[in-house]
Amino acid sequence: DTGVSQDPRHKITKRGQNVTFRCDPISEHNRLYWYRQTLGQGPEFLTYFQNEAQLEKSRLLSDRFSAERPKGSFSTLEIQRTEQGDSAMYLCASSSPQDSYEQYFGPGTRLTVT
Amino acid sequence: AQKITQTQPGMFVQEKEAVTLDCTYDTSDPSYGLFWYKQPSSGEMIFLIYQGSYDQQNATEGRYSLNFQKARKSANLVISASQLGDSAMYFCAMRGDNQGGKLIFGQGTELSVKP
Repeated sequence: DTGVSQDPRHKITKRGQNVTFRCDPISEHNRLYWYRQTLGQGPEFLTYFQNEAQLEKSRLLSDRFSAERPKGSFSTLEIQRTEQGDSAMYLCASSSPQDSYEQYFGPGTRLTVT
Repeated sequence: AQKITQTQPGMFVQEKEAVTLDCTYDTSDPSYGLFWYKQPSSGEMIFLIYQGSYDQQNATEGRYSLNFQKARKSANLVISASQLGDSAMYFCAMRGDNQGGKLIFGQGTELSVKP
Protein backbone atom coordinates (compact mmCIF):
# COMPACT_ATOMS: atom_id res chain seq x y z
CA ASP A 1 0.00 0.00 0.00
CA THR A 2 1.50 3.31 -1.08
CA GLY A 3 -0.57 5.58 1.13
CA VAL A 4 -2.71 8.54 0.12
CA SER A 5 -1.54 10.25 -3.06
CA GLN A 6 -2.45 13.64 -4.46
CA ASP A 7 -1.93 15.15 -7.86
CA PRO A 8 -0.60 17.63 -8.74
CA ARG A 9 1.73 18.50 -5.88
CA HIS A 10 1.94 22.11 -6.98
CA LYS A 11 -0.33 24.25 -9.14
CA ILE A 12 0.12 27.84 -10.19
CA THR A 13 -2.84 29.43 -11.91
CA LYS A 14 -4.10 32.84 -12.85
CA ARG A 15 -7.06 34.39 -11.13
CA GLY A 16 -10.29 33.41 -12.80
CA GLN A 17 -9.08 30.05 -14.08
CA ASN A 18 -10.54 26.69 -13.02
CA VAL A 19 -8.38 24.06 -11.33
CA THR A 20 -8.98 20.43 -10.43
CA PHE A 21 -7.09 18.33 -7.88
CA ARG A 22 -7.15 14.58 -7.50
CA CYS A 23 -6.82 12.42 -4.40
CA ASP A 24 -6.29 8.67 -4.37
CA PRO A 25 -6.99 7.26 -0.89
CA ILE A 26 -5.57 4.14 0.65
CA SER A 27 -7.36 1.27 -1.05
CA GLU A 28 -10.49 0.07 0.74
CA HIS A 29 -10.65 3.19 2.91
CA ASN A 30 -14.31 4.12 2.77
CA ARG A 31 -13.97 7.68 4.08
CA LEU A 32 -12.21 10.50 2.27
CA TYR A 33 -11.71 14.03 3.59
CA TRP A 34 -10.60 17.33 2.08
CA TYR A 35 -8.96 20.06 4.16
CA ARG A 36 -7.50 23.45 3.32
CA GLN A 37 -4.47 24.88 5.08
CA THR A 38 -3.38 28.48 4.69
CA LEU A 39 0.04 29.72 5.74
CA GLY A 40 0.57 29.68 9.48
CA GLN A 41 -2.76 28.00 10.24
CA GLY A 42 -3.96 24.53 11.01
CA PRO A 43 -5.92 22.58 8.40
CA GLU A 44 -9.62 23.44 8.08
CA PHE A 45 -12.22 20.85 7.16
CA LEU A 46 -13.89 21.30 3.77
CA THR A 47 -15.88 18.15 3.05
CA TYR A 48 -15.95 14.39 3.41
CA PHE A 49 -17.26 11.33 1.64
CA GLN A 50 -18.31 7.94 2.84
CA ASN A 51 -17.94 5.73 -0.21
CA GLU A 52 -19.43 7.84 -3.01
CA ALA A 53 -21.79 9.87 -0.82
CA GLN A 54 -20.77 13.39 0.17
CA LEU A 55 -21.99 13.53 3.75
CA GLU A 56 -20.87 16.95 4.96
CA LYS A 57 -19.72 20.24 3.49
CA SER A 58 -18.20 23.07 5.46
CA ARG A 59 -19.47 26.60 5.10
CA LEU A 60 -15.95 27.32 3.82
CA LEU A 61 -16.88 25.42 0.67
CA SER A 62 -18.39 28.18 -1.44
CA ASP A 63 -20.38 27.47 -4.58
CA ARG A 64 -17.17 27.82 -6.59
CA PHE A 65 -15.92 24.60 -4.99
CA SER A 66 -17.19 21.16 -5.90
CA ALA A 67 -15.96 17.74 -4.87
CA GLU A 68 -16.81 14.33 -6.22
CA ARG A 69 -16.02 10.72 -5.49
CA PRO A 70 -17.89 9.01 -8.31
CA LYS A 71 -17.01 5.37 -7.69
CA GLY A 72 -16.12 5.54 -4.05
CA SER A 73 -12.41 5.40 -4.81
CA PHE A 74 -10.51 8.52 -5.94
CA SER A 75 -11.89 12.01 -5.42
CA THR A 76 -11.58 15.31 -7.25
CA LEU A 77 -11.83 18.82 -5.90
CA GLU A 78 -12.57 21.54 -8.44
CA ILE A 79 -12.30 25.27 -7.85
CA GLN A 80 -13.97 27.47 -10.45
CA ARG A 81 -13.04 31.09 -11.10
CA THR A 82 -10.11 30.98 -8.70
CA GLU A 83 -9.39 33.95 -6.46
CA GLN A 84 -6.15 34.93 -4.73
CA GLY A 85 -7.73 33.94 -1.42
CA ASP A 86 -7.89 30.35 -2.66
CA SER A 87 -4.10 30.10 -2.45
CA ALA A 88 -3.46 27.38 0.11
CA MET A 89 -2.39 23.80 0.64
CA TYR A 90 -5.23 21.37 -0.10
CA LEU A 91 -4.90 18.19 1.94
CA CYS A 92 -6.69 14.91 1.42
CA ALA A 93 -7.03 12.19 4.03
CA SER A 94 -8.67 8.78 4.15
CA SER A 95 -9.80 6.46 6.91
CA SER A 96 -11.51 3.16 7.57
CA PRO A 97 -13.47 1.68 10.45
CA GLN A 98 -10.79 -0.99 10.84
CA ASP A 99 -8.40 1.76 12.00
CA SER A 100 -10.98 3.46 14.22
CA TYR A 101 -11.24 6.04 11.46
CA GLU A 102 -7.72 7.34 12.08
CA GLN A 103 -7.01 9.68 9.19
CA TYR A 104 -4.00 9.17 6.94
CA PHE A 105 -3.00 12.28 5.05
CA GLY A 106 -1.60 12.73 1.59
CA PRO A 107 1.28 15.10 0.74
CA GLY A 108 -1.09 17.88 -0.29
CA THR A 109 -1.51 20.08 -3.36
CA ARG A 110 -0.13 23.60 -3.00
CA LEU A 111 -2.19 26.07 -5.01
CA THR A 112 -0.90 29.52 -5.87
CA VAL A 113 -3.30 31.94 -7.55
CA THR A 114 -1.56 34.89 -9.20
CA ALA B 1 -19.04 24.11 18.68
CA GLN B 2 -15.67 22.45 18.88
CA LYS B 3 -12.45 24.37 19.36
CA ILE B 4 -8.78 23.55 19.80
CA THR B 5 -6.38 26.10 21.29
CA GLN B 6 -2.60 25.93 21.06
CA THR B 7 -1.14 28.95 22.82
CA GLN B 8 2.54 28.41 21.97
CA PRO B 9 3.31 29.67 18.45
CA GLY B 10 6.94 28.56 18.81
CA MET B 11 9.03 26.49 21.19
CA PHE B 12 12.74 25.77 21.51
CA VAL B 13 14.24 22.70 23.15
CA GLN B 14 17.77 21.44 23.54
CA GLU B 15 18.55 18.13 21.87
CA LYS B 16 18.01 15.14 24.20
CA GLU B 17 15.75 17.12 26.55
CA ALA B 18 11.99 16.68 26.98
CA VAL B 19 9.45 19.25 25.82
CA THR B 20 5.73 19.73 26.43
CA LEU B 21 3.44 21.22 23.79
CA ASP B 22 0.18 22.59 25.17
CA CYS B 23 -3.32 21.93 23.84
CA THR B 24 -6.70 22.79 25.31
CA TYR B 25 -10.03 21.94 23.76
CA ASP B 26 -13.71 22.67 24.01
CA THR B 27 -16.55 20.42 22.92
CA SER B 28 -20.10 19.54 23.79
CA ASP B 29 -19.74 15.97 22.51
CA PRO B 30 -19.81 13.42 25.33
CA SER B 31 -17.37 11.20 23.45
CA TYR B 32 -14.43 12.41 21.40
CA GLY B 33 -10.87 11.69 20.36
CA LEU B 34 -7.77 13.82 20.58
CA PHE B 35 -4.87 13.60 18.14
CA TRP B 36 -1.44 15.04 17.61
CA TYR B 37 0.07 15.39 14.14
CA LYS B 38 3.55 16.45 13.06
CA GLN B 39 4.01 18.49 9.90
CA PRO B 40 7.61 18.82 8.66
CA SER B 41 8.56 21.43 6.10
CA SER B 42 7.65 18.94 3.35
CA GLY B 43 4.00 19.51 4.28
CA GLU B 44 2.72 16.01 4.96
CA MET B 45 0.70 15.49 8.15
CA ILE B 46 2.13 12.62 10.17
CA PHE B 47 -0.02 10.99 12.85
CA LEU B 48 1.75 10.75 16.21
CA ILE B 49 -0.67 9.74 18.94
CA TYR B 50 -4.36 9.33 19.81
CA GLN B 51 -6.31 9.59 23.07
CA GLY B 52 -9.95 8.63 23.44
CA SER B 53 -12.02 10.62 25.89
CA TYR B 54 -12.97 7.50 27.84
CA ASP B 55 -9.50 5.97 27.90
CA GLN B 56 -8.40 5.50 31.48
CA GLN B 57 -4.69 5.71 30.80
CA ASN B 58 -2.69 8.36 29.02
CA ALA B 59 -1.60 7.30 25.55
CA THR B 60 2.04 6.62 24.77
CA GLU B 61 3.79 5.92 21.46
CA GLY B 62 7.55 5.56 21.73
CA ARG B 63 8.98 8.97 22.68
CA TYR B 64 5.54 10.58 22.52
CA SER B 65 3.09 10.65 25.39
CA LEU B 66 -0.16 12.51 25.80
CA ASN B 67 -0.88 14.13 29.17
CA PHE B 68 -4.69 13.99 29.16
CA GLN B 69 -6.50 15.95 31.88
CA LYS B 70 -10.19 15.68 31.10
CA ALA B 71 -11.42 18.01 33.84
CA ARG B 72 -9.09 20.73 32.60
CA LYS B 73 -9.86 19.90 28.95
CA SER B 74 -6.20 19.68 28.13
CA ALA B 75 -4.26 17.19 26.01
CA ASN B 76 -0.61 18.16 26.11
CA LEU B 77 2.00 16.33 24.03
CA VAL B 78 5.24 15.36 25.73
CA ILE B 79 8.23 14.51 23.55
CA SER B 80 11.05 12.89 25.45
CA ALA B 81 14.71 12.85 24.41
CA SER B 82 14.23 15.41 21.61
CA GLN B 83 16.03 14.82 18.33
CA LEU B 84 16.99 17.26 15.60
CA GLY B 85 14.45 15.53 13.33
CA ASP B 86 11.68 16.54 15.71
CA SER B 87 11.90 20.12 14.43
CA ALA B 88 8.53 20.70 12.76
CA MET B 89 5.04 22.11 13.21
CA TYR B 90 2.87 20.18 15.66
CA PHE B 91 -0.90 20.24 15.51
CA CYS B 92 -3.41 19.15 18.11
CA ALA B 93 -6.75 18.01 16.70
CA MET B 94 -10.09 16.75 17.95
CA ARG B 95 -12.74 14.50 16.51
CA GLY B 96 -16.18 14.48 18.06
CA ASP B 97 -17.78 11.08 17.83
CA ASN B 98 -20.99 12.75 16.65
CA GLN B 99 -19.22 14.88 14.04
CA GLY B 100 -18.78 12.41 11.19
CA GLY B 101 -15.08 11.91 11.69
CA LYS B 102 -13.84 15.35 10.63
CA LEU B 103 -10.89 16.73 12.53
CA ILE B 104 -10.78 20.19 14.08
CA PHE B 105 -7.21 21.47 14.30
CA GLY B 106 -5.46 24.03 16.44
CA GLN B 107 -3.16 26.68 15.00
CA GLY B 108 -0.06 24.67 15.69
CA THR B 109 3.22 25.04 17.54
CA GLU B 110 6.53 25.28 15.73
CA LEU B 111 9.14 23.26 17.57
CA SER B 112 12.83 23.90 17.02
CA VAL B 113 15.37 21.46 18.45
CA LYS B 114 18.79 22.96 19.11
CA PRO B 115 21.97 20.85 18.86
